[in-house]
Order: sequence, then structure tokens, then C-alpha cells
Amino acid sequence: GAGVSQSPSNKVTEKGKDVELRCDPISGHTALYWYRQRLGQGLEFLIYFQGNSAPDKSGLPSDRFSAERTGESVSTLTIQRTQQEDSAVYLCASSIGTGTTSPQHFGDGTRLSIL
Amino acid sequence: SQQGEEDPQALSIQEGENATMNCSYKTSINNLQWYRQNSGRGLVHLILIRSNEREKHSGRLRVTLDTSKKSSSLLITASRAADTASYFCATAANSGYSTLTFGKGTMLLVSP
Repeated sequence: GAGVSQSPSNKVTEKGKDVELRCDPISGHTALYWYRQRLGQGLEFLIYFQGNSAPDKSGLPSDRFSAERTGESVSTLTIQRTQQEDSAVYLCASSIGTGTTSPQHFGDGTRLSIL
Repeated sequence: SQQGEEDPQALSIQEGENATMNCSYKTSINNLQWYRQNSGRGLVHLILIRSNEREKHSGRLRVTLDTSKKSSSLLITASRAADTASYFCATAANSGYSTLTFGKGTMLLVSP
């Protein structure tokens, strides 16, 4: 399809394990965002990639969180030594241009549950 | 803290009625956007209003922006059951920062 694709859609893992979440943005979209959404809450910004510029990592909650993106393609969000408070839906979005006036297109998220 | 705060947290109406949701924010903005989220899905962009605009329409949606009160409203006219979703406002700061800050959302239930 032509939308943002995220995988896996659901992930259940034990506390202390590492997890890797994947996002395939819409082709041609230079900007890519990761958000965390806890149950019943709004979106919490994690990290922003824009083309080949250095990513804005200001929203990452701890050094257990990291993300990579190769060029303008796939991005992975890695959470090391997972904790129960990491349980949430992780949403990825992409947009065609720079700045905030380009609408963000979201994937359906990865629902992460830490046991 | 989050920039946008929606009000009410939840709203329940009958099909055909109008639904109004409000968003308040704290600092100067470049633009404000509204998104919809159906249960278990990602967010869908609805409408963007710039800081120099006061009102914008898109189909059954009407958005207003009052920068003096730092508030916005989203009106959905002639609501349908398919409008049942959570609605979020998102603000873009006026400082060139390239990300949005989302509120906690209003959960709208439209009953047939």
C-alpha cells in the first residue's frame, strides 16, 4: 500500500529484553517522526529525522531508547532492557516536506506490552 | 508539559447533532492542526489553521482560532456514527521547531 507501514503490529516481551520496531514511511517523504502513546493519552514526541540532517533526539526518554534511519527510507526504534513503563503504542509518521505545515501521515502503530 | 489541552475529554451525541471540541494552548504558535484517531489506528490529519487565520472550513468541519485567547475549536456538523473517534489538536511552535505537540484528545461517541 501507499501508507506508512509499521511492524510488528503487536509485540509482547519480558522485562529486560531488547525490542526493535520498524517503520516504512511513504516513498518520497523526507521527514519521519516517532511518538509514544500511553493508554488514553496524547502523543509524546520521541525523535524526528529530516533527510540527511542530524536527527532531533530531544524527546527520547532515556538512553535505553535509540533510533536509526538510512537516508529517506526505513527507520527502526530500539528499546534496550525494556521496563514495564515502556508499555505503550509506538506510532511512526512521515511527511513530505520540512517544517510543520506538511501534514503528518501515521502508521497504525506497534502495541508494545512488557510483562 | 503538553502544549495543547482538549476539552471536553469525552463527548457523547446523537447522529445529526453538531459536535464541538476545544483546544487551549500556552505559547505562541505558527499553526494548529486537528487529527482524528479511530480505535487501534494511527492518526489522520483533518485540517491545519495558520496563526494569521481565524476560521477554516473543510466539508463538515469548521475550525476557529483565537490567538488572543490561545484557543481553537473544532466543529463537526451533522455528525455521523462514523465520526466516532478521538480528536487531537497539535500545535507547532513559532520558533522554527519542526515538530508538533499533541494534546490528550477528546473522545467523541456518535450514537445512531
